[in-house]
Amino acid sequence: GNSVTQMEGPVTLSEEAFLTINCTYTATGYPSLFWYVQYPGEGLQLLLKATKADDKGSNKGFEATYRKETTSFHLEKGSVQVSDSAVYFCALKAGGTSYGKLTFGQGTILTVHP
Amino acid sequence: GAVVSQHPSRVICKSGTSVKIECRSLDFQATTMFWYRQFPKQSLMLMATSNEGSKATYEQGVEKDKFLINHASLTLSTLTVTSAHPEDSSFYICSAESRLDEQFFGPGTRLTVL
Repeated sequence: GNSVTQMEGPVTLSEEAFLTINCTYTATGYPSLFWYVQYPGEGLQLLLKATKADDKGSNKGFEATYRKETTSFHLEKGSVQVSDSAVYFCALKAGGTSYGKLTFGQGTILTVHP
Repeated sequence: GAVVSQHPSRVICKSGTSVKIECRSLDFQATTMFWYRQFPKQSLMLMATSNEGSKATYEQGVEKDKFLINHASLTLSTLTVTSAHPEDSSFYICSAESRLDEQFFGPGTRLTVL
């Protein structure tokens, strides 16, 4: 079946540090890949996505590249801010009979200190 | 952006009672809505896919008679937890799928069963 594995958190960084949150996946076919962010007390928001191999999704300084050869979609940001503190979820949407369903990773808590 | 609301945001009930949670897409029509369950420090687990005007499709291991889903209109889906027990205590999150195939998430409902 489909699955998503994220690096375990929590991740604690100082402001302006470089961020990487690893994400690998297992899926049949050619899934679309997503990063969602959940700020305290709020629902999940789409951060970025990529729908095919070698695509790079980017938003708010965050980037992730769809790597089919390594089945990975690692999230990166060059300089984090305190306001980036949140829970980050990697997810995939497979095709075929699983159309529309999102499979989530376990989430990674990020805390950024001033 | 598209907004999805959930009501109530928190509910506390006695064991054996039933609880209804509403999920509304406020500014778009959603033929498909999804219901997830999130345990503390864990990922979102898809419970069921709700399609307007038809029966919901439940994921393996989810009791249909316990978690009743109704999707009566293009903007409203409801989840009723019947005869709730303490093990049903959890964070329930819905999402609504737009015509552009993107899912927008509600803020979640915290259910506590005493």
